[in-house]
Amino acid sequence: KNEVEQSPQNLTAQEGEFITINCSYSVGISALHWLQQHPGGGIVSLFMLSSGKKKHGRLIATINIQEKHSSLHITASHPRDSAVYICAVDYGQFYFGTGTSLTVIP
Amino acid sequence: DGGITQSPKYLFRKEGQNVTLSCEQNLNHDAMYWYRQDPGQGLRLIYYSQIVNDFQKGDIAEGYSVSREKKESFPLTVTSAQKNPTAFYLCASRRTGNSPLHFGNGTRLTVT
Repeated sequence: KNEVEQSPQNLTAQEGEFITINCSYSVGISALHWLQQHPGGGIVSLFMLSSGKKKHGRLIATINIQEKHSSLHITASHPRDSAVYICAVDYGQFYFGTGTSLTVIP
Repeated sequence: DGGITQSPKYLFRKEGQNVTLSCEQNLNHDAMYWYRQDPGQGLRLIYYSQIVNDFQKGDIAEGYSVSREKKESFPLTVTSAQKNPTAFYLCASRRTGNSPLHFGNGTRLTVT
């Protein structure tokens, strides 16, 4: 079974700060996903990564396959970024981290 | 717009009653999944289906049942055998192969 560890569990930032959320996993995977869950509960997929780096707007995701580690970065954070960010690893089935709860204060 | 619809958003039941949660998708996805989310835990897989009329147990299938009679629909029944049914339930789907998951907005079930 793949263990997925996220850090930190909770994060509070001032608007405009650069934010990093980390994810480590224990065995080989076909892809890693970053998800965003808003207070209402719905989840949206932000990135799917199997190598390197991807960027959408102010969000950047990186993965190091050798070190089994991924990071999600948010540049110039904004209160609307407040959500739970979940790392999920895919090796046919998905295993999910427990999430990082981010609060961005104006 | 394509997507996944879960209903209802909130559901209240008395202990001992079976309850069915609806999940419908119009994304033409083959694979569908049911996950349970509890505070402080990652999503856990209850059941999944990769094709109509076929489904497989996930990590926590005890006390749950599903059917997949149509590609678009994957209802989940929480039976009275489920010891701790109060939770947030999420349905998801994806194309086969390496592709992102699409989620519904979830159903919050409370059993008293």
